[in-house]
Amino acid sequence: GAGVSQSPSNKVTEKGKDVELRCDPISGHTALYWYRQSLGQGLEFLIYFQGNSAPDKSGLPSDRFSAERTGGSVSTLTIQRTQQEDSAVYLCASSFARVELGELFFGEGSRLTVL
Amino acid sequence: GNSVTQMEGPVTLSEEAFLTINCTYTATGYPSLFWYVQYPGEGLQLLLKATKADDKGSNKGFEATYRKETTSFHLEKGSVQVSDSAVYFCALSGSGSARQLTFGSGTQLTVLP
Repeated sequence: GAGVSQSPSNKVTEKGKDVELRCDPISGHTALYWYRQSLGQGLEFLIYFQGNSAPDKSGLPSDRFSAERTGGSVSTLTIQRTQQEDSAVYLCASSFARVELGELFFGEGSRLTVL
Repeated sequence: GNSVTQMEGPVTLSEEAFLTINCTYTATGYPSLFWYVQYPGEGLQLLLKATKADDKGSNKGFEATYRKETTSFHLEKGSVQVSDSAVYFCALSGSGSARQLTFGSGTQLTVLP
């Protein structure tokens, strides 16, 4: 499709299990972002990829969170040993290089529920 | 660091009412400012933006003016419609190496017919 695609749209898991969330950005977009949206909260920045540069991981809340981007396209966010506080909607966005222009295109998100 | 403070919701208005959603920010340098909208069941999408002081962003009848002196970027619309019901997020871009957007907490708007 033409937009940012995320999967799964919903994921329910048990505490302590690992989960993987996938993002397929818009073709040609060099920048890719992961954000987290918790109930009643704003969007919390997690990680940013730009081309072949080292990712900006400054927003990852703990070492249980990691992400990779293969071939400059698809990205996977992995949460190890999930905790209940990880329950949130995980949003992926992509853009052309200059984010100052504000053209972030978001997917519909992956809703994670940790029981 | 950068931060965005938005008017808390939810906001409920009747159709054709005037809308203001307040947004103030704290940032170093000269950020760009944005409003994003999230309609039910959809991803966030850019509504409007302003890249320098005194710029006015506008789209779909919404407007916001970049006020550096008051560090504000309030969203306004003269006559809201039921279809404007959504969550609205104010955001600013980082400067320097911080190539990401900082978002406010969002304001839920419901417009009643």
